[in-house]
Amino acid sequence: EDKVVQSPLSLVVHEGDTVTLNCSYEVTNFRSLLWYKQEKKAPTFLFMLTSSGIEKKSGRLSSILDKKELFSILNITATQTGDSAVYLCALEVTTSGTYKYIFGTGTRLKVLA
Amino acid sequence: GAVVSQHPSRVICKSGTSVKIECRSLDFQATTMFWYRQFPKQSLMLMATSNEGSKATYEQGVEKDKFLINHASLTLSTLTVTSAHPEDSSFYICSASLWGQPQHFGDGTRLSIL
Repeated sequence: EDKVVQSPLSLVVHEGDTVTLNCSYEVTNFRSLLWYKQEKKAPTFLFMLTSSGIEKKSGRLSSILDKKELFSILNITATQTGDSAVYLCALEVTTSGTYKYIFGTGTRLKVLA
Repeated sequence: GAVVSQHPSRVICKSGTSVKIECRSLDFQATTMFWYRQFPKQSLMLMATSNEGSKATYEQGVEKDKFLINHASLTLSTLTVTSAHPEDSSFYICSASLWGQPQHFGDGTRLSIL
């Protein structure tokens, strides 16, 4: 059975801290791994990773995928209160000629001023 | 970025009512749309995958007669919760995607059944 596990489940840090969020997976027919940020409503897209070892960066956020060890990390440096959210990892898998997404449990991040 | 519109954002209705939720991709033709359900403080649970012009593929444990999905065009999918009961109360989110591109989400519908 396909499985996506995120750790930690929750995290409280102070502004300026650096955080590392982990997403481990066991899936068949992997296509890509995606990171999303969810605040009050729907998730917003952060990164899409398909190849191992290539870091993707956007401002203070960066992410990398390890397809051999089956995990990805999302780093946030110099955290701000606006980074408080649930961070979701999703695996895109192919199935019966189409594709779908399997979401991890999420990591709830709270950044204190 | 891609825009997906979901309507309504909030529904409160009596038990036994059927509720229709619309999901539209506004600036691209989506090959596939997805419907998720999210319980409080939990992750997104995929309910079904919807491709234009074909029957939706439901995940295990999701009742297809209870959650009717229609994907009439490349820009519109609807989810109808039939004869809704209090246990159907939840946050429902749709997404739309093109093959090889990340999915983009609607703002979700909070459904409350009294």
